[in-house]
Amino acid sequence: GENVEQHPSTLSVQEGDSAVIKCTYSDSASNYFPWYKQELGKGPQLIIDIRSNVGEKKDQRIAVTLNKTAKHFSLHITETQPEDSAVYFCAASSFSGGYNKLIFGAGTRLAVHP
Amino acid sequence: DARVTQTPRHKVTEMGQEVTMRCQPILGHNTVFWYRQTMMQGLELLAYFRNRAPLDDSGMPKDRFSAEMPDATLATLKIQPSEPRDSAVYFCASGLDLRDRSADTQYFGPGTRLTVL
Repeated sequence: GENVEQHPSTLSVQEGDSAVIKCTYSDSASNYFPWYKQELGKGPQLIIDIRSNVGEKKDQRIAVTLNKTAKHFSLHITETQPEDSAVYFCAASSFSGGYNKLIFGAGTRLAVHP
Repeated sequence: DARVTQTPRHKVTEMGQEVTMRCQPILGHNTVFWYRQTMMQGLELLAYFRNRAPLDDSGMPKDRFSAEMPDATLATLKIQPSEPRDSAVYFCASGLDLRDRSADTQYFGPGTRLTVL
């Protein structure tokens, strides 16, 4: 079946540093790539997404890049803050059974130390 | 602001009991997804509804799980009988399918943490 691999599984940075999380996907027809942030005891919250007709998208301190040829996309967080500490999930769309489902990566636990 | 709501937030029950989880999608959304999250399996898709019709429930154990949408504002996931291996966090997400083959953005609820003893 379709697969999304996410690296690293854990990431520890100092406040103010940048953090990068990378994902690769297997379905060449994938056209939608969201990123979710999940804090302890809460549901995944959409933080940014990108569609396949765009190579890069930025929203304040977060940005996502997409390389369709290589089938990988990345999340970049600049000037990290302690409140960025959470688990981050990437996902890629996969059309099967007549609808688009999201295939999720296993998650990256980000710790930002003051 | 509009958000997906889920009840109950926590449920502890004994093996063999029936469990019903409820979800209210964002008003105007026409798709509902049910997921289960565990440490071992991550986020697993259990069921998918579009315009209240169940289009995919291949991710659910058929003998004990059932999902319905009695109306556009309520989706339910039922487990009967529950087993300890069902212990997990169950999430509902909703979206808007524009039928243009582009994936709809999914917005997640806060989840129901289920513990089956």
